[in-house]
Amino acid sequence: EVQLVESGGGLVQPGGSLRLSCEASGFSFNNYAMYWVRQAPGKGLEHVSGISSHGDYTYYADSVKGRFTISRDDSKNTLYLQMGSLRAEDMAVYFCARASNKGYFWGQGTLVTVSS
Amino acid sequence: DIVMTQSPDSLAVSLGERATINCKSSQSILYNSNNKNYLAWYQQKPGQPPKLLIYWASTRESGVPDRFSGSGSGTEFTLTISSLQAEDVAVYYCHQYYSSLYTFGQGTKLEIK
Repeated sequence: EVQLVESGGGLVQPGGSLRLSCEASGFSFNNYAMYWVRQAPGKGLEHVSGISSHGDYTYYADSVKGRFTISRDDSKNTLYLQMGSLRAEDMAVYFCARASNKGYFWGQGTLVTVSS
Repeated sequence: DIVMTQSPDSLAVSLGERATINCKSSQSILYNSNNKNYLAWYQQKPGQPPKLLIYWASTRESGVPDRFSGSGSGTEFTLTISSLQAEDVAVYYCHQYYSSLYTFGQGTKLEIK
């Protein structure tokens, strides 16, 4: 069974840092591009970042470029999102997602709260 | 980037009536080599991740009730709920996975009239 389990969310002050993790199981992790998608309270879905199956290509939304870094450790079947210089507008549920021929397979999400 | 535009933004339908949500892409998402439209529909309820309903624009995911159907090709697509049930209250998103940068519609909030 395909599973994506996010962790690392929590409360952080503006300007602070946080690292999200997404542990994958039930499929060959190294064969898939992976993504982080976020959803602010009451808002729609927004792509934050993506990484190719070999990690040689990364994508960042303009809103997070220079502040967030995506990475993957295929030996641990884990996707990461290092978030820095966090702002109030970064507050959201962050979903890990795997690309497939049906669109995305989603994790349950982890909540990031940015507040002083 | 391919821009996905849904209409309407919100919709109120009586129980048992038909609900129709539209999605338009800024360019074709039909892949000519396999004649498939790279378009998915998701249902999202509060506190939950999006749930896949339809992929390839018209293929129902396993376990999804047959009152949900998808249609369209190229740049215009429709999600239809043939007879609205109370449990269908949710936000619905279309999603193109044709280009290397996948994009979502803004969402349509479906409520009971």
